[in-house]
Amino acid sequence: DTGVSQDPRHKITKRGQNVTFRCDPISEHNRLYWYRQTLGQGPEFLTYFQNEAQLEKSRLLSDRFSAERPKGSFSTLEIQRTEQGDSAMYLCASSRGEFGQPVNEQFFGPGTRLTVL
Amino acid sequence: KNEVEQSPQNLTAQEGEFITINCSYSVGISALHWLQQHPGGGIVSLFMLSSGKKKHGRLIATINIQEKHSSLHITASHPRDSAVYICAGGGATNKLIFGTGTLLAVQP
Repeated sequence: DTGVSQDPRHKITKRGQNVTFRCDPISEHNRLYWYRQTLGQGPEFLTYFQNEAQLEKSRLLSDRFSAERPKGSFSTLEIQRTEQGDSAMYLCASSRGEFGQPVNEQFFGPGTRLTVL
Repeated sequence: KNEVEQSPQNLTAQEGEFITINCSYSVGISALHWLQQHPGGGIVSLFMLSSGKKKHGRLIATINIQEKHSSLHITASHPRDSAVYICAGGGATNKLIFGTGTLLAVQP
């Protein structure tokens, strides 16, 4: 395992459908982050896990979005009833770190590009 | 108002030129990250710094904590340096707050 992996790399879906993305972090990393990036913009924070605990969620994460990290390893991000505005690159990153400690270097996955038609 | 501001948004340079990208950040950010993103590609972490200066190859990153300002320098720029460079702030909240990025094009 040499890095963070994400699956799928690309997803095209119709408005109203549900989609699920997976992120596999670097194996010894206990922190996992989800970000969203739209064209021409920097990434925006969505949510963050310390082991299996979801510690913070952005206001960007509406009720249609849910993220899990059931065993503290891989994570899934689900979007229900997709809208065209959900079209973006969804990035996952992982890092080491203990609760309450400052942010450490984050390692990013290649992203999942979502297109909602 | 974004808590991390980057400039310039776009930068074109000739091969060999010295390049500087600037980043200002707000209170509450204790570590500054510099990241590189190639078109259609993932993000690579270049530096994370909370004080002083770091160097890796032709890349140098500096931070001034009092002024809440950081710079990324590229010496002897090369076309393969063409990418989007993003600064991001991290702090007690454990998440990164990103600038909008600087699109760098180095022409041969």
